[in-house]
Amino acid sequence: AQSVTQPDIHITVSEGASLELRCNYSYGATPYLFWYVQSPGQGLQLLLKYFSGDTLVQGIKGFEAEFKRSQSSFNLRKPSVHWSDAAEYFCAVGEGNTPLVFGKGTRLSVIA
Amino acid sequence: DGGITQSPKYLFRKEGQNVTLSCEQNLNHDAMYWYRQDPGQGLRLIYYSQIVNDFQKGDIAEGYSVSREKKESFPLTVTSAQKNPTAFYLCASSTGGAVGYTFGSGTRLTVV
Repeated sequence: AQSVTQPDIHITVSEGASLELRCNYSYGATPYLFWYVQSPGQGLQLLLKYFSGDTLVQGIKGFEAEFKRSQSSFNLRKPSVHWSDAAEYFCAVGEGNTPLVFGKGTRLSVIA
Repeated sequence: DGGITQSPKYLFRKEGQNVTLSCEQNLNHDAMYWYRQDPGQGLRLIYYSQIVNDFQKGDIAEGYSVSREKKESFPLTVTSAQKNPTAFYLCASSTGGAVGYTFGSGTRLTVV
């Protein structure tokens, strides 16, 4: 069965520091991969997605992610975090028309 | 502007009562989804529909029911059979395939 693991439940970083959120997946074929962000009490907003091609994808708000097939990973990065990036981040995986499978999320806190 | 609307944002119901959550989209998307979100558990799929008049159970369908009579609408009924209905419910839509979802802003249901 497909699964998505986000190993870090909660991460705290200082404003201006770099960020990496981890995502590992278990999937039979080449999956579609997504990162979403959720502010408290709100829906999810798509940050970026990977279908094929260049394994480094750029998204909104200065985020990027790298697909590494050998490691079954799709980690999200940002070179310099802003206080407004504090939120919950979800990695999701899909294939064809099957519904997306989401990880349990990583909560990001940003300190001054 | 096109989007997906969930209503109401907050809903309170007495134990044993059925309650229906509304989800409407004007994006002309074929597929619609209902997820349940609990703290620390990520998003879990309740039901999904890839075409009008057809829907499938997700991972946690017990105690829930849906209908898809119109392309724009995918209401979710939380029945009295759902043992722990208090949660945050998210509706999403997509054009099908793994192009990513557009999410509504959610309904927080509290059963007292």
